[in-house]
Amino acid sequence: DTGVSQDPRHKITKRGQNVTFRCDPISEHNRLYWYRQTLGQGPEFLTYFQNEAQLEKSRLLSDRFSAERPKGSFSTLEIQRTEQGDSAMYLCASSLGLAGENEQFFGPGTRLTVL
Amino acid sequence: TQLLEQSPQFLSIQEGENLTVYCNSSSVFSSLQWYRQEPGEGPVLLVTVVTGGEVKKLKRLTFQFGDARKDSSLHITAAQPGDTGLYLCAKGSGNTGKLIFGQGTTLQVKP
Repeated sequence: DTGVSQDPRHKITKRGQNVTFRCDPISEHNRLYWYRQTLGQGPEFLTYFQNEAQLEKSRLLSDRFSAERPKGSFSTLEIQRTEQGDSAMYLCASSLGLAGENEQFFGPGTRLTVL
Repeated sequence: TQLLEQSPQFLSIQEGENLTVYCNSSSVFSSLQWYRQEPGEGPVLLVTVVTGGEVKKLKRLTFQFGDARKDSSLHITAAQPGDTGLYLCAKGSGNTGKLIFGQGTTLQVKP
């Protein structure tokens, strides 16, 4: 399977705990995005990487959230001191980043439930 | 804040019926994408429309981009249960290519 993969698919945690999600993009894609999606809504942009550089972060990304893409390949999203409001689907997407090309390929997401 | 308004938010129809989903914005798009998302999965790109007035067809799905490039529609002919899912419109924003999504239309097609 050469698509975008995410791990874990589901995570249940207690409020206050830290969680980390992983995304493996399509291998030749240099752009990587994280989105958050709550039930019945469209995804909302969280952050963007061009290779290993994090070039944009949404205001939705509070200081409890941190994302990395250390070697320009896989990426991790960590949430510290989780809150119930963090419960959502976290989606990763990647793209080639060609000029004028916005096609993004999404992973299956990690569903986070904070109790 | 969602800059794209989709309507209706929820649609439940019988197999064989036709339906149209709308995506509107107060600002002009350079391009617009339509995605379909099944429960527990990520969105999958259906089509990208770029030119005002453009019409694209994908089997029983017809996508139209408004002349002024501020609106788009998705029409499904003879809907089938396999069409059930969340339909999302999205536009690219800025140099990063990040996507701004509408809130989606949840379609349920009953057999």
